[in-house]
Amino acid sequence: GAGVSQSPSNKVTEKGKDVELRCDPISGHTALYWYRQSLGQGLEFLIYFQGNSAPDKSGLPSDRFSAERTGGSVSTLTIQRTQQEDSAVYLCASSSQGWNTEAFFGQGTRLTVV
Amino acid sequence: SQKIEQNSEALNIQEGKTATLTCNYTNYSPAYLQWYRQDPGRGPVFLLLIRENEKEKRKERLKVTFDTTLKQSLFHITASQPADSATYLCALDITGAGSYQLTFGKGTKLSVIP
Repeated sequence: GAGVSQSPSNKVTEKGKDVELRCDPISGHTALYWYRQSLGQGLEFLIYFQGNSAPDKSGLPSDRFSAERTGGSVSTLTIQRTQQEDSAVYLCASSSQGWNTEAFFGQGTRLTVV
Repeated sequence: SQKIEQNSEALNIQEGKTATLTCNYTNYSPAYLQWYRQDPGRGPVFLLLIRENEKEKRKERLKVTFDTTLKQSLFHITASQPADSATYLCALDITGAGSYQLTFGKGTKLSVIP
């Protein structure tokens, strides 16, 4: 596609439910990043993929968070048993190679846990 | 561990003046450093990338410098305009291992006053 697409754009969920957030990167981009941004805060690095592999998962806040990427394209971030502190904007970005090339961001998914 | 520090949370300047924003890192110098702009409710947008062997890079009214001795990058906006008001983020690979873990500073919110 023309840009990075994230869905849904907004998600309200009840505490304890599982949610899946989707990211469609720019076609051909091998690197894909997930970040979290709480209100008025900076971007918190969660995980990145190079192809389908995620070499470093240490940024994931807890074992309730997981992510996968299939076919070197679409990625899904799953949060199990959501908590109120998970409420934030989840941003996805992709780049053609990695940190030495510019990253293109999606518009984000605003997650609200009630 | 490597930390990224941006000089202030907020910076107010008069229209027409030059805005200077600072990004400091604490340990090893990254091979690349990037600057992004973020408007409220939107994902960051790439502005400039500078390599460690480049002392300065320019794009229209923007200028970035990279001083590996001071472990600092400066971001300048000349002839600033109210439309330049946004949060500006620097980003780099904090692992120093040439990984793809692109990590962002907390950002500086710039307000250009007419």
